Amino acid sequence: EVVMTQSPATLSVSPGERATLSCRASQSITSNLAWYQQKPGRAPRLLIYGASTRATGIPARFSGSGSGTEFTLTISSLQSEDFAAYYCHQYNKWPRTFGQGTKVEIK
Amino acid sequence: QLQLQESGPGLVKPSETLSLSCTVSGGSVSSTSHFWGWIRQPPGKGLEWIGSLYYSGSTYYNPSLKSRVNISVDTSKNQFSLKLTSVTAADTAVYYCARDLVSWGQGTLVTVSS
Repeated sequence: EVVMTQSPATLSVSPGERATLSCRASQSITSNLAWYQQKPGRAPRLLIYGASTRATGIPARFSGSGSGTEFTLTISSLQSEDFAAYYCHQYNKWPRTFGQGTKVEIK
Repeated sequence: QLQLQESGPGLVKPSETLSLSCTVSGGSVSSTSHFWGWIRQPPGKGLEWIGSLYYSGSTYYNPSLKSRVNISVDTSKNQFSLKLTSVTAADTAVYYCARDLVSWGQGTLVTVSS
């Protein structure tokens, strides 16, 4: 199975600053990668699919990049509502797999 | 607007079968353009994909659960269902249903305990 590894586990950022989250796949998944945001007690929300395409209604401050095995989610200027957990997910191969998550917390 | 809603017992005894349903509104489980899936999240932990089903009949399961899991569809009720047999405390989690892993239900907590 494709193992997804996210780093860091926790990211402490001040509001207004830039946040960069990484996700690495154990083998090439081309661009079949999605990013989700999850707040406590809520279902995950799709942010990015196809490694770089924002889902409907997602603000432009969220951007995704990468292909193959290395991927990045960038939040250009953190807003209060962006403090949450973020998961990457590969849908290139079965079984589908998720990264272990990155928690973005207020510095 | 597509909506998904999980339902089922919130408490299951060890060794018994966990059964959940996902009712779909604003869309049809008969659609051949989408796949329907289940994902779970143990308390305080990350997301685990359980399995996915295409209406055409193809199903895909997490190898770690494959011997215990079954996902099926009921077109008469516009629902799809999850059955997980021989549960243990390790199966305690919030269970989510989703379409294409894009649209998600709100999730339902299932606790395995005697």
